[in-house]
Amino acid sequence: GDSVTQMEGPVTLSEEAFLTINCTYTATGYPSLFWYVQYPGEGLQLLLKATKADDKGSNKGFEATYRKETTSFHLEKGSVQVSDSAVYFCALSGRQGKSTFGDGTTLTVKP
Amino acid sequence: DAGVTQSPTHLIKTRGQQVTLRCSPKSGHDTVSWYQQALGQGPQFIFQYYEEEERQRGNFPDRFSGHQFPNYSSELNVNALLLGDSALYLCASSPGQGTLTDTQYFGPGTRLTVL
Repeated sequence: GDSVTQMEGPVTLSEEAFLTINCTYTATGYPSLFWYVQYPGEGLQLLLKATKADDKGSNKGFEATYRKETTSFHLEKGSVQVSDSAVYFCALSGRQGKSTFGDGTTLTVKP
Repeated sequence: DAGVTQSPTHLIKTRGQQVTLRCSPKSGHDTVSWYQQALGQGPQFIFQYYEEEERQRGNFPDRFSGHQFPNYSSELNVNALLLGDSALYLCASSPGQGTLTDTQYFGPGTRLTVL
């Protein structure tokens, strides 16, 4: 079946550091790929998505590119802020919208 | 727009009991999916409802059942509760028949504790 593997955390960075959270997937067909974020005390919300190979999703300074050849969708941000501290989930949506999530990566950004 | 709402917020049950969780989708959304999120893990897909029918199901036993009403709201029922059913249960809604490109909007979840 479908699966998502993401970088284990927790990840701790200083403000303005570069962020990469790795995500790889296994799926049949051509899934859509998503990054969701969960801020402390809040629900899951979409951060960005890409629906076909070579698409780049972007939002709030975060980017991820759908790489079919490496089955990856790594999340990057050039300069993180304290307000980016959250749990980040990589996910895919396969046939008929069945979704599979990774286990999440906790990011803490220190001033 | 109220977004996705879930009730109750918290629930405590004992082993063997039955529980019903409720979800109202975001306005204009016709597809509802349910997830179980254990502590420290990602959400696990339980099932998805569209047009009052279960369209997709994850690897959960048939103790987990659901229903979707004509107004698109949904219920998740769990029978014969086990300690391992303790988790955060998330409801997500999406438009357009829940196709694979659709963004899902999540509710805040119901925290179920089984003693």
